[in-house]
Amino acid sequence: SYELTQPPSVSVSPGQTARITCSGDALPKKYAYWYQQKSGQAPVLVIYEDSKRPSGIPERFSGSSSGTMATLTISGAQVEDEADYYCYSTDSSGNHRVFGGGTDLTVL
Amino acid sequence: QVQLQQWGAGLLKPSETLSLTCAVYSGSFSSFCWGWIRQPPGKGLEWIGEVNHGGSTNYNPSLKSRVTISVDTSRNQFSLKLTSVTAADTAVYYCARVSVAATFYMDVWGLGTTVTVSS
Repeated sequence: SYELTQPPSVSVSPGQTARITCSGDALPKKYAYWYQQKSGQAPVLVIYEDSKRPSGIPERFSGSSSGTMATLTISGAQVEDEADYYCYSTDSSGNHRVFGGGTDLTVL
Repeated sequence: QVQLQQWGAGLLKPSETLSLTCAVYSGSFSSFCWGWIRQPPGKGLEWIGEVNHGGSTNYNPSLKSRVTISVDTSRNQFSLKLTSVTAADTAVYYCARVSVAATFYMDVWGLGTTVTVSS
């Protein structure tokens, strides 16, 4: 079965840039999406189609994708950005949806 | 702004059938697909499956033999049934709106329902 691989944790100081990666064999042909999940809450979409930002998401959140790796970048991370972040995409057939294992972002 | 409200039994015994329903308020129902995702305690998200307004479905292969997702367009609702549950099915279950684009993706989520399987 298809898998997306993320680092389990990333830690930055407030104001620094946080980068969370997601690797998958189908990413050269399939879009990556990113979800933020704060403790006890439902996930929220923060990036879609590799690099687009939904309305209401702060500009410090950006996304990119190159080859088999997609990256979520939080420029000037704030304490309120502490959360689990999940990448999401589909396998090469487009039929099966997959989440990465999630990355715990610590900002302190 | 679209809202999803979900409900269903929160405590099940092994071998029983999990049944959850999600109602869609303030938005187009037919222009989207509708899906379910779950999250075991302390673990990551797992896609369960989705249905379109016509009733066509797509399921996670690992759950396909036990899952049924259906839609009731007259009530703007969709439902999840998971048969023969075990402790491994204990999770928070989320319903979600699925945008139909180059990739199908979840853009609006319900608040989640905690389901515990225990004898």
